Amino acid sequence: EDKVVQSPLSLVVHEGDTVTLNCSYEVTNFRSLLWYKQEKKAPTFLFMLTSSGIEKKSGRLSSILDKKELFSILNITATQTGDSAVYLCAVEPVTQGGSEKLVFGKGTKLTVNP
Amino acid sequence: DAGVIQSPRHEVTEMGQEVTLRCKPISGHDYLFWYRQTMMRGLELLIYFNNNVPIDDSGMPEDRFSAKMPNASFSTLKIQPSEPRDSAVYFCASSPLWGHGYTFGSGTRLTVV
Repeated sequence: EDKVVQSPLSLVVHEGDTVTLNCSYEVTNFRSLLWYKQEKKAPTFLFMLTSSGIEKKSGRLSSILDKKELFSILNITATQTGDSAVYLCAVEPVTQGGSEKLVFGKGTKLTVNP
Repeated sequence: DAGVIQSPRHEVTEMGQEVTLRCKPISGHDYLFWYRQTMMRGLELLIYFNNNVPIDDSGMPEDRFSAKMPNASFSTLKIQPSEPRDSAVYFCASSPLWGHGYTFGSGTRLTVV
């Protein structure tokens, strides 16, 4: 069974801190790994990673994938209160139909205090 | 584009009643997904459609749940009869063929009392 495990489950930091969120996975046939940010409502897409060692970056957020060790990290530098959210990691296994059927982890709840 | 549109936003119903959740995907997206989110289990895929055809409904908890997609712009998820353990946030999402990432709707928060 395909599985995604995120750690830590929750994290409280102060503004300006740097945080690293972890995602490990087990999947039969891997296609991609995705990160989402969920505030009060719907998850919003952050990154999609398909290749090992290539960092994706967007502002203060960055992410990298290690397909050999089956994990990914999401880094947030100089955190702000607006970064407070649940960060979800998902993997997309290859399926016969070629669809994007995602398997989600339970998320890391990040709280950034002023 | 208005994004994925779900209705209602909130639903409170009594145990045993029928509940229908609605979703309008983004125009041109070939895939539509129904997810359920709870604190205990996180986001779970219930069913997904490709070009209006159900592809995988293995995540549907039991026969009380059913989903339809009569056309490319509309899908429903029905629970009959509803039970308190069905209380959750139900998300609809859509994606283009071979595209990356989903676009989620804002969700329907269902409470069954």
